[in-house]
Amino acid sequence: RKEVEQDPGPFNVPEGATVAFNCTYSNSASQSFFWYRQDCRKEPKLLMSVYSSGNEDGRFTAQLNRASQYISLLIRDSKLSDSATYLCVVNGGGGFKTIFGAGTRLFVKA
Amino acid sequence: GAVVSQHPSWVICKSGTSVKIECRSLDFQATTMFWYRQFPKQSLMLMATSNEGSKATYEQGVEKDKFLINHASLTLSTLTVTSAHPEDSSFYICSATFLAGGYEQYFGPGTRLTVT
Repeated sequence: RKEVEQDPGPFNVPEGATVAFNCTYSNSASQSFFWYRQDCRKEPKLLMSVYSSGNEDGRFTAQLNRASQYISLLIRDSKLSDSATYLCVVNGGGGFKTIFGAGTRLFVKA
Repeated sequence: GAVVSQHPSWVICKSGTSVKIECRSLDFQATTMFWYRQFPKQSLMLMATSNEGSKATYEQGVEKDKFLINHASLTLSTLTVTSAHPEDSSFYICSATFLAGGYEQYFGPGTRLTVT
């Protein structure tokens, strides 16, 4: 089993749609969780951290379920500019070992 | 926000030569720097973790004699790909973190290496 698993994608959605990404992690000692966005041939950029209480930033909502070892990202009212690969990132605990999911590709079309 | 730079942004070299990539934290002192490699349509794969003044910790399967990492200061880490071969062609990305920043990693823009 991979340490961090994401929906394989790609997701093809029309503008304005709501799309949800899921991610599971295997290390129950993991301490920190993030969603990063990566555009083609660019470096990853932090989209948002994920907190146990859930957090929202504009059209983006992230949730964490520690019991199920599950993280989600919800994007509402999708824009063309949201097209990118979304990476689920988990800090493995016991230091700074960080594990990246394989990423989920999102295509938003007009 | 914290800024990390990499140099060069792209490089083409001949098989058998060595290539050095620099990673700098511009406005903060990086406690730890990480080196990743990313092949097309694949996720980032951690190669090594580097703390200033100490030897890098390499991930399983990464040859430390081939990928030399030097972390001489809190703002600079270098990765040298020695005796490069075409299969080393990839996108190399560094990231840095500092204690006050929690576990968030700040990424450099990446270096695209092509070995001919």
